[in-house]
Amino acid sequence: NAGVMQNPRHLVRRRGQEARLRCSPMKGHSHVYWYRQLPEEGLKFMVYLQKENIIDESGMPKERFSAEFPKEGPSILRIQQVVRGDSAAYFCASSQNQDGGEQYFGPGTRLTVT
Amino acid sequence: KNQVEQSPQSLIILEGKNCTLQCNYTVSPFSNLRWYKQDTGRGPVSLTIMTFSENTKSNGRYTATLDADTKQSSLHITASQLSDSASYICVVSDSGTYKYIFGTGTRLKVLA
Repeated sequence: NAGVMQNPRHLVRRRGQEARLRCSPMKGHSHVYWYRQLPEEGLKFMVYLQKENIIDESGMPKERFSAEFPKEGPSILRIQQVVRGDSAAYFCASSQNQDGGEQYFGPGTRLTVT
Repeated sequence: KNQVEQSPQSLIILEGKNCTLQCNYTVSPFSNLRWYKQDTGRGPVSLTIMTFSENTKSNGRYTATLDADTKQSSLHITASQLSDSASYICVVSDSGTYKYIFGTGTRLKVLA
């Protein structure tokens, strides 16, 4: 049973470009969470999605950031017009159910904006 | 404001020695507390999970304690190994929610 998979593992973008981060949850998991970890800081919740639905995006910046979890395929975190401050590690987690269900984390995508 | 604070920020110990990491939280209402191990370049991996009614939980050489009254937790590592070198993160969630609140972690370095 493969764990949570994220790709790419490393992504370099120039300022103003778009970044697309992918997350495939564990088999049988229909809940996906995205977290951001800035240098020297703890992980911060960004968004919680179920298949085809955004449940909670309260931690996601209002502009330039969007997330989706389509019926088929991985969840995508999209950052438009990246800026240097977007450089961080982005982690995806998945769970089988919502209420206190254990979240399993992927290896993360390290985004560097030059 | 819900916060999780950890100490020390970093720690260096010799292989075979024991160590204890601390976590204080202000999350309320409290549901459960987890300790994660995060190797460099990897995602966090769960070590222990405790609800408010549990005082201690062990996982091999890792033993976590919880005092829900003082809102403090500790993670004790026994007979440390080189592979224990990692960040150890305390994570608290409030009642019935999916929102994990992460501490900034303690970076542990075990030297031969």
